[in-house]
Amino acid sequence: AQSVTQPDIHITVSEGASLELRCNYSYGATPYLFWYVQSPGQGLQLLLKYFSGDTLVQGIKGFEAEFKRSQSSFNLRKPSVHWSDAAEYFCAVGPPNDYKLSFGAGTTVTVRA
Amino acid sequence: EPEVTQTPSHQVTQMGQEVILRCVPISNHLYFYWYRQILGQKVEFLVSFYNNEISEKSEIFDDQFSVERPDGSNFTLKIRSTKLEDSAMYFCASSEGTVRQKLFFGSGTQLSVL
Repeated sequence: AQSVTQPDIHITVSEGASLELRCNYSYGATPYLFWYVQSPGQGLQLLLKYFSGDTLVQGIKGFEAEFKRSQSSFNLRKPSVHWSDAAEYFCAVGPPNDYKLSFGAGTTVTVRA
Repeated sequence: EPEVTQTPSHQVTQMGQEVILRCVPISNHLYFYWYRQILGQKVEFLVSFYNNEISEKSEIFDDQFSVERPDGSNFTLKIRSTKLEDSAMYFCASSEGTVRQKLFFGSGTQLSVL
């Protein structure tokens, strides 16, 4: 069975500071991993994804994530947070042939001035 | 960027009533999905649809649920007899291909069952 754990429910970060959101997954084979962001009233927007190859993946809006198989983790990072990054972030894992994704519970990011 | 459109944004219904949630996927997409998120819980997969048939469905997607692509542009989710526990945000999503293609989500329909 596939599952995702996001240990942090809520993170507050100062504008300009770095951000790291944790994600741990459970999956029987090579995972397909995703990070999505949801702003209030909006749908889920893909930030980045990992299928294979380079374990450090770059996404939109200056985000990056690192896949670590030994730790079953796929943590999301951003070096310098902007106020517009305040949103809810979801990590997800899925099989290779279908978007039958399992999502984590999400991490809400608050950015303070 | 192209968008998946969902209507209505909010739907209120009485328990036991039928409800249809509507979605217009992106025009050249071939794979269609419904997810839902009950308040305070995880986003959950409901069903995937390809080539006019269900590809995968979750345990949540029981006989009370059905999906249809009635006219080549719309993709609907029907709940035959709503229950209180069906109250959730329902997200439609579509993609051009499988997971190597980007999945686009709509902004959701908030269903409230009273």
